Parts: sequence; structure tokens; C-alpha cells
Amino acid sequence: EAGVVQSPRYKIIEKKQPVAFWCNPISGHNTLYWYRQNLGQGPELLIRYENEEAVDDSQLPKDRFSAERLKGVDSTLKIQPAELGDSAVYLCASSASFRGGGELFFGEGSRLTVL
Amino acid sequence: QKEVEQNSGPLSVPEGAIASLNCTYSDRGSQSFFWYRQYSGKSPELIMSIYSNGDKEDGRFTAQLNKASQYVSLLIRDSQPSDSATYLCAWAGGTSYGKLTFGQGTILTVHP
Repeated sequence: EAGVVQSPRYKIIEKKQPVAFWCNPISGHNTLYWYRQNLGQGPELLIRYENEEAVDDSQLPKDRFSAERLKGVDSTLKIQPAELGDSAVYLCASSASFRGGGELFFGEGSRLTVL
Repeated sequence: QKEVEQNSGPLSVPEGAIASLNCTYSDRGSQSFFWYRQYSGKSPELIMSIYSNGDKEDGRFTAQLNKASQYVSLLIRDSQPSDSATYLCAWAGGTSYGKLTFGQGTILTVHP
């Protein structure tokens, strides 16, 4: 069974440029998460989807971040414009349980460097 | 107070020793607790989950939960160099319903 797939693995951009990350969850997993992990810190939730509905986006900086999950499968996270402080690893995860929590399966992450 | 606090690291233990990792949480409504392991440059992977007070053993790993003290720990017996990683505790439920909230992680190094 294929795991969570993310792309790109690495991205280097200059500040004020846009960037987008893509995630394909494990087949059949209805819950999808985007986490951000800064160096030396634990992952912090940005947004959680149940199917195509964003049910928790309270930590998403909505002035510059946006996300979508079309048809309840793949998801895209966008940052526009990027700032220096956005440099981090963006992790996508999925889980089978609609209640969330439990076992999350993480992708390899997309490492963003903003110069 | 942070929602989840892990004992400060990094933690270094000799091969074969017991590594003890601790985590305290602030939300008494928390219901589920997890330990994830994250190798350098890799993504987190679940190694233990615990839902009830007491101990839960899985091979060399033992998770301990004390809801009254709001404390969860992970013991790794017979530590191996391959156990060297960052260990993240996480919880769900209460104010964290439907999601996992992670601690900042503890770096464990097992030296031969």
C-alpha cells in the first residue's frame, strides 16, 4: 500500500514569492492534516480536513496561507507571499478515523527555505 | 503553560540501558496519548498509543499514563543505537479533539 505522497521534497524561494505543496493521502483515508514543523520543534497543525471540508483551520495564517482538498482526496497548501519565517518542513498526514487523533501516517514532508 | 511539555533533552544513554522519556500535559480532557519517533530528516512514525491509566508494553517499549498527574512517559529497555531519534509525545481529545497536539520532542542518543 502506498503511503502519503508529498511534493516537492525541497523548495527554495525568495521572500514574497508564492509556493505550493501537494499531498496525496493514503487511499481511503478521509482525514487529512497539514502540519508545519520548525527546526527543533514538534509539528503544529495548520489545517485538518474531513473529506473535502476544512473542519479545523484555526492555526492557518489566512492572510497568506490557503489550502484546498478537491474531491476529498489530494490537497494543496499554498503560501503567497512567502516570508522568511515560513521556512520550515510542511508535513501532510492522513488517518482513517473520522474522529481524528489516533494513528497519523505522515508523508516525507516538503522542506521550504525562504531567502 | 504549554499544552504539552517534554523533559528537556538531549538525552544520552549507553547501549543496553533504559531510556526514560517524560511528558506532561495541561488539558484534563485529554483522552488519548501517543509516542511518535522521528529520525533525523524523516517524518514522525507512531510507536505507542495509550488510552488508560497504567502501563502498556510492546516489545522493548513501555508507555505509562497517569491521568491524575497529567503525566505520560515512555521507557525504552535495552536501548540500541538504532533507537537514536527524536521522540514526540502527542495527545488527542479535550480541546484537541479531532487532531494531535505534539510536544517539542526529546532527542535521544544511544551510544555504543
